[in-house]
Amino acid sequence: DGGITQSPKYLFRKEGQNVTLSCEQNLNHDAMYWYRQDPGQGLRLIYYSQIVNDFQKGDIAEGYSVSREKKESFPLTVTSAQKNPTAFYLCASSITVSNYGYTFGSGTRLTVV
Amino acid sequence: SQQGEEDPQALSIQEGENATMNCSYKTSINNLQWYRQNSGRGLVHLILIRSNEREKHSGRLRVTLDTSKKSSSLLITASRAADTASYFCATAGRTADGLTFGKGTHLIIQP
Repeated sequence: DGGITQSPKYLFRKEGQNVTLSCEQNLNHDAMYWYRQDPGQGLRLIYYSQIVNDFQKGDIAEGYSVSREKKESFPLTVTSAQKNPTAFYLCASSITVSNYGYTFGSGTRLTVV
Repeated sequence: SQQGEEDPQALSIQEGENATMNCSYKTSINNLQWYRQNSGRGLVHLILIRSNEREKHSGRLRVTLDTSKKSSSLLITASRAADTASYFCATAGRTADGLTFGKGTHLIIQP
């Protein structure tokens, strides 16, 4: 079955550590996105990528980094510069950037301990 | 960036009743989309309505769009317990910079 897979489901990070969240899709979608969701809140865009080897900052990119070396993969690194990283992180993909619905992964819940 | 705002924030109705949620946004859009999220899960795309469309149906869902008022509504008819979830509207602008989501409406269907 085609879909988008995020791993791990739960992740714990110590203060000062970088962590990388995985996102893989087999839908042959060109565009991929990372969103952050805080309790009771909507989604805020961190980074997005329209094609391989290209990505753009979203509304809250500070403290995060991404890469898009393969069409199928769009990993997100939460760096130690992100002061409040505890949140639910959602990865999504779509055929093109704005004219189709998104397919979302099941999310990664990151907690700083 | 533009943002959708859902209203109400929370809604509780009896099974079988209709549920209506509203969304307002601030700037011109290319399309508006509705998503459902069950607790602790990813979002599921429900329906997309383009800026030149006024109404769209999908099963028990009916979406309207009024671009003059910059608002949209999602109607779920004959609600079921499985419809309990959070519902988000998301707008796609004229520039290709990703969807902007509102804070959502939490819908509870009482059996």
